[in-house]
Amino acid sequence: GQQLNQSPQSMFIQEGEDVSMNCTSSSIFNTWLWYKQEPGEGPVLLIALYKAGELTSNGRLTAQFGITRKDSFLNISASIPSDVGIYFCAGQGSGGSNYKLTFGKGTLLTVNP
Amino acid sequence: EAGVAQSPRYKIIEKRQSVAFWCNPISGHATLYWYQQILGQGPKLLIQFQNNGVVDDSQLPKDRFSAERLKGVDSTLKIQPAKLEDSAVYLCASSLRPSNSPLHFGNGTRLTVT
Repeated sequence: GQQLNQSPQSMFIQEGEDVSMNCTSSSIFNTWLWYKQEPGEGPVLLIALYKAGELTSNGRLTAQFGITRKDSFLNISASIPSDVGIYFCAGQGSGGSNYKLTFGKGTLLTVNP
Repeated sequence: EAGVAQSPRYKIIEKRQSVAFWCNPISGHATLYWYQQILGQGPKLLIQFQNNGVVDDSQLPKDRFSAERLKGVDSTLKIQPAKLEDSAVYLCASSLRPSNSPLHFGNGTRLTVT
């Protein structure tokens, strides 16, 4: 099946620092999604990417859909304490069972004020 | 717009007992998903519905798990009998269509099997 490698597994940063995390896949995806999950809640969509090479921003967050369609990254600029949480990448293929959304294992972000 | 509603929020049962979870998707969303999220991992798809039909249940342990979406809106997921390894958060999600449409998740049901 499709495999997603997400890194880093965890990050401990100071408030104000920039953050970068990425996902790589063994398969080509047509869609990349980035979610944030806080304790006791379901994942919340941050950014959706539908086209290879696409660069999309949402406030302090920027994500890119890799040209090879096998990778994506998420950057957070000027981190603040409320950025704390687990960030998941998810990729979706095309056709039949490849529509299934496959998730990475997550990046746990801790921001020290 | 109201989000995906799930109940109960928490459930504790003993192994070999049965349990059921309920999900009400966002109005108008034709595609509904049940995911299992074990502590420290990303969500894993159990079953996907398009309206009231099953699109993908390849990772559903069918000897003990079942799910239905009879009228193409609400859905229930059942486990019978439960095992210790079923302890996880069960997330329901919905989307407008099966592709190029982001999933919106509920807050999940945390199941503990003792």
